[in-house]
Amino acid sequence: DADVTQTPRNRITKTGKRIMLECSQTKGHDRMYWYRQDPGLGLRLIYYSFDVKDINKGEISDGYSVSRQAQAKFSLSLESAIPNQTALYFCATSVYGRSYNEQFFGPGTRLTVL
Amino acid sequence: SQQGEEDPQALSIQEGENATMNCSYKTSINNLQWYRQNSGRGLVHLILIRSNEREKHSGRLRVTLDTSKKSSSLLITASRAADTASYFCATASGGSNYKLTFGKGTLLTVNP
Repeated sequence: DADVTQTPRNRITKTGKRIMLECSQTKGHDRMYWYRQDPGLGLRLIYYSFDVKDINKGEISDGYSVSRQAQAKFSLSLESAIPNQTALYFCATSVYGRSYNEQFFGPGTRLTVL
Repeated sequence: SQQGEEDPQALSIQEGENATMNCSYKTSINNLQWYRQNSGRGLVHLILIRSNEREKHSGRLRVTLDTSKKSSSLLITASRAADTASYFCATASGGSNYKLTFGKGTLLTVNP
């Protein structure tokens, strides 16, 4: 009964391949985020969306693209994966005006690019 | 760039002891939040303190905020082995459409 789900949970791919990571939420939140986590670097924001028609670049958007297909779905794509995109990827959601932007995280996708 | 910086990077204590983690940041904030992450899993929100608050409690957690020093601390009292995790501070800034900027985290190990 997870509120924020991510698929796949683990993925191994090769350099140059196109990869899509998907995020779905049942919390009814309007805001969604994609982060990557690397050892020793904490979480860094890749893209965020405040509603279906609003997409914004984060701190490290180069090499990534996103699609907000519906309020509940936010996908992250790596058009041509490279080894330094190996990381743990998290999707998160929040709702404007409540709890001052507390975020709810998915379980993460571990991506390995060979 | 990192807004919050946690200190220490790693902390090892015995069960029953208190654990204190610190976070420093650089720019003005709307609020500061603490999250917990068990190894390889998603982050879980613990507590939020607004910029006009100085202290907040939630169960065994106590958070302080000193905006003049741009710093916060998280105290976990009477720690348990189950508290073993990484703890991250995150600062929210940027007006009504703010987003969070996370620090690098403190790895807390509580030994039974």
